[in-house]
Amino acid sequence: QKEVEQNSGPLSVPEGAIASLNCTYSDRGSQSFFWYRQYSGKSPELIMFIYSNGDKEDGRFTAQLNKASQYVSLLIRDSQPSDSATYLCAVKTTGSNYKLTFGKGTLLTVNP
Amino acid sequence: GAGVSQSPSNKVTEKGKDVELRCDPISGHTALYWYRQSLGQGLEFLIYFQGNSAPDKSGLPSDRFSAERTGGSVSTLTIQRTQQEDSAVYLCASSFPGANYGYTFGSGTRLTVV
Repeated sequence: QKEVEQNSGPLSVPEGAIASLNCTYSDRGSQSFFWYRQYSGKSPELIMFIYSNGDKEDGRFTAQLNKASQYVSLLIRDSQPSDSATYLCAVKTTGSNYKLTFGKGTLLTVNP
Repeated sequence: GAGVSQSPSNKVTEKGKDVELRCDPISGHTALYWYRQSLGQGLEFLIYFQGNSAPDKSGLPSDRFSAERTGGSVSTLTIQRTQQEDSAVYLCASSFPGANYGYTFGSGTRLTVV
């Protein structure tokens, strides 16, 4: 069973701090990794993807991938109350028909 | 269209009735996926289409669930003889095929079986 694990949270950070969201995956054949943001009552929205080891930065967001450790993370710098949402980690694996396997998500709350 | 369109946005049905949920993907996206999300739960994969074919139906929870896609575009998810446990938000997503493309989700259909 291919699994994607996330801490369910809630993760609470003060406004302006760095929020760190973590995800581990079980299948070493996993090829690409995605972070989605889901506001309450809304559908998931893609915010970042990464497929090479290392860091990838986009504005206040940085995705980090370590395939040897089967670990991917999302850092949000200068967190804002509008970042409060559930963050879903998703993984595509070789031979899966490019199906995304999602973690259950981490609830992030940014306190003003 | 500019995004993935799903209809209806909300559906309340009586137990035992059949329902049809529609998804209109982004133009040019050959891959189409159906997921469902129960209240407070994660995303549960249902079915994947590449073009009009469904190479992965492994997530359909029972034979009451079926889906089709026509013209490589619009897809319909049908649930027969609905049960209360079918109540959930049904999400459709589309993408280009391949490892490095993420999905774009529609806004979902909230199904309530009473």
